[in-house]
Amino acid sequence: DIQMTQSPSTLSASVGDRVTITCRANQSISSWLAWYQQKPGKAPKLLIYKASTLESGVPARFSGSGSGTGFTLTISSLQPDDFATYYCQLYDIYFGTWTFGRGTKVEMK
Amino acid sequence: QVQLQESGPGLVKPSETLSLTCSVSGDSIISTTYYWGWIRQPPGMGLEWIATVFYSGSSYYNPSLKSRLSISVDTSRNQFSLRLTSVTAADTAVYFCGRVDRRAYYFDHWGQGILVTVSS
Repeated sequence: DIQMTQSPSTLSASVGDRVTITCRANQSISSWLAWYQQKPGKAPKLLIYKASTLESGVPARFSGSGSGTGFTLTISSLQPDDFATYYCQLYDIYFGTWTFGRGTKVEMK
Repeated sequence: QVQLQESGPGLVKPSETLSLTCSVSGDSIISTTYYWGWIRQPPGMGLEWIATVFYSGSSYYNPSLKSRLSISVDTSRNQFSLRLTSVTAADTAVYFCGRVDRRAYYFDHWGQGILVTVSS
């Protein structure tokens, strides 16, 4: 099965900072990667799908890039509402399984 | 606007079976565009995909849980369900149900989640 590594596990940043979170798979997953934001006590919220497509209603400061084995979520200018935990999720088209990354907590510096 | 709502017991005894149902409103579960799935999150930890089902009954399971899992759909009630047998404390988690877009394999809508505690 495909293994995924998400980094960093924690990120300290200030409002206005550019933030980058990375997910790497140990084999190619094409562009079957999504990013989610989760706040305490809430369900995850979809941000990006198919590696780089912004979900409707999600602010344009969020962007995704990558294909194959390396993917990045970027927040161009961190806003107060963005302090949360972010997860990547891959789909293994050969085995029909989904895998989530371990998460990145974005906290206030 | 599609909405999903988990239901089931909040407390299950060790070695017993955990049964949860997800009720879908605002969309038909009979759809060629979507799968329907379960994800869980132990307290203070990350997300774990559990299983996914198509309206026809075709199903996909997390290999690490497969021997204890069953997922099913009830199209007449617009619901889908999860059964996890022989539970232990390690199965204590918030369980979410979600809708999966088959065009790009992502969860686009989620239920609010239900906390299930395994304890005697």
